[in-house]
Amino acid sequence: DGGITQSPKYLFRKEGQNVTLSCEQNLNHDAMYWYRQDPGQGLRLIYYSQIVNDFQKGDIAEGYSVSREKKESFPLTVTSAQKNPTAFYLCASSAKKNTEAFFGQGTRLTVV
Amino acid sequence: GESVGLHLPTLSVQEGDNSIINCAYSNSASDYFIWYKQESGKGPQFIIDIRSNMDKRQGQRVTVLLNKTVKHLSLQIAATQPGDSAVYFCAENSGGTSYGKLTFGQGTILTVHP
Repeated sequence: DGGITQSPKYLFRKEGQNVTLSCEQNLNHDAMYWYRQDPGQGLRLIYYSQIVNDFQKGDIAEGYSVSREKKESFPLTVTSAQKNPTAFYLCASSAKKNTEAFFGQGTRLTVV
Repeated sequence: GESVGLHLPTLSVQEGDNSIINCAYSNSASDYFIWYKQESGKGPQFIIDIRSNMDKRQGQRVTVLLNKTVKHLSLQIAATQPGDSAVYFCAENSGGTSYGKLTFGQGTILTVHP
């Protein structure tokens, strides 16, 4: 089945550690996105990529990094510089402008 | 600034009633709008979309209305069912870029009572 796969579903991070969240899509979409969702709030854009080997900062990029070496993959690294990383992270992709973004099922990151 | 502990608007309806969820958007240059449904612990699911050259679009049991004059979007759900209980988000895609970024609204919690 076509879709977006995020892994892992749950992730625990110790203080000071970097962690990488995986996002893979087999929809042949050019654009991919990472959003953060905090409890009781909407989604905020972290990074987005319109094409392989190119990406742009979203509204809350500080403390995060991404890469886009392959069309299918857009991993997100939460670095130790992110002071409040506990959140629900959602990856999405879209085919072109003014079409809907398809979302993965999310990764819940908790700092322990 | 960031709001911590923000409470989402809520809407409670009886099964079989019609529901109307409202959304105000901010960017007059936005040319594409989407409604998403999000169930607890899951990613958002696409419900319906509308382009700025339209003011109404209908799907199965859902209708989206767009009022560009007052920058307002609404989602109407007919004959609401318990399975419709979820958080509903509107999203806008501002124009001018090859792939616009989606900006999400705050969300509304819909609870349907049997």
